[in-house]
Amino acid sequence: EDKVVQSPLSLVVHEGDTVTLNCSYEVTNFRSLLWYKQEKKAPTFLFMLTSSGIEKKSGRLSSILDKKELFSILNITATQTGDSAVYLCAVTQGAQKLVFGQGTRLTINP
Amino acid sequence: GAVVSQHPSRVICKSGTSVKIECRSLDFQATTMFWYRQFPKQSLMLMATSNEGSKATYEQGVEKDKFLINHASLTLSTLTVTSAHPEDSSFYICSATGFSGSYNEQFFGPGTRLTVL
Repeated sequence: EDKVVQSPLSLVVHEGDTVTLNCSYEVTNFRSLLWYKQEKKAPTFLFMLTSSGIEKKSGRLSSILDKKELFSILNITATQTGDSAVYLCAVTQGAQKLVFGQGTRLTINP
Repeated sequence: GAVVSQHPSRVICKSGTSVKIECRSLDFQATTMFWYRQFPKQSLMLMATSNEGSKATYEQGVEKDKFLINHASLTLSTLTVTSAHPEDSSFYICSATGFSGSYNEQFFGPGTRLTVL
């Protein structure tokens, strides 16, 4: 059965800390791995990763994929209260179908 | 970027009634749209894949007679929850696939929160 597993499920840190979110997967016909940020509504796109070892960066956020070990990490440095959200990892199977992980609920305390 | 809208954003209905949710791609044509359901503090679960002009493909465990999907045009897909029950209360999100530069990206709608009393 295809699955995407995220850890931790919940994380509480102080503003300014650096966090690392994990995503491992076992899916058939893997095409890409995506990270999303979800606040109160629908997910917003962060990164799409298709190749191993190539880091994607956007401001304080970065992500990398390891296709040999079947996992990805999302790093957030110098966290701010606005980073509080649920972070979702999803894997694209075949023709665009997305399989989501359970999400990591990140809380940044001031 | 591409915009996907959903209507309504929130609906409350009585048990036994049917509710229709619309998903529109506003500035691009989407041959494929996806419908997800998200229960509180859980992740998105794919319900069905909707292809324009053909029958939807439902995921295992999703009743096609209860969740009717119609993809009548390249910009509109509808999900009708028939004979709704309280356990159908959930957050329903659609997404539409559009070409974003070099790859097909899924653009998500804002979601519809359904409460069945």
